[in-house]
Amino acid sequence: DVKVTQSSRYLVKRTGEKVFLECVQDMDHENMFWYRQDPGLGLRLIYFSYDVKMKEKGDIPEGYSVSREKKERFSLILESASTNQTSMYLCASSYWAGWTGELFFGEGSRLTVL
Amino acid sequence: TQLLEQSPQFLSIQEGENLTVYCNSSSVFSSLQWYRQEPGEGPVLLVTVVTGGEVKKLKRLTFQFGDARKDSSLHITAAQPGDTGLYLCAGVGNDMRFGAGTRLTVKP
Repeated sequence: DVKVTQSSRYLVKRTGEKVFLECVQDMDHENMFWYRQDPGLGLRLIYFSYDVKMKEKGDIPEGYSVSREKKERFSLILESASTNQTSMYLCASSYWAGWTGELFFGEGSRLTVL
Repeated sequence: TQLLEQSPQFLSIQEGENLTVYCNSSSVFSSLQWYRQEPGEGPVLLVTVVTGGEVKKLKRLTFQFGDARKDSSLHITAAQPGDTGLYLCAGVGNDMRFGAGTRLTVKP
């Protein structure tokens, strides 16, 4: 069974803290993605990666960075968390190049920044 | 700005009722995907439609892609509590764009 695992389901952090969200996939997929999901706004793409050490900005990269040192792992980093980054964060992976393939999502990480 | 508008935003119905939810855009897509997200879970792909006018059926769910490949609908027949969830459409072109979703609640 294919699986995308996000390391933390729930996190509570304080403003200014550094936050790491980890995502691991076991499907040998080339592409990995980080989305944030907010009510009424749907899923918005933060960053994606189509290869190890490669990254591309999505629609809302400000305040975030990413790291992909290994094919199976894609990390989202909030250098200095702010309250407007309180959200549900979803990691996804896909096999096919480009945007045509199915996205496999993790269960999500709900981050609260106080 | 949402490129994909989903309606209704919320829908609460009784078990056994039929329903249709919509996904509309002014953009043309090469394909459109529908996902369902259950509470506490990530979205899971239900179907991908590719050809204008295409109709796909998945048990009690019927998906249609508009002739102009700008819109899509999802019809559920005889809804069951297990259909409860957030239904998301995603249009695929030069990138992938998600709608905000329709949150469906089916009451027993």
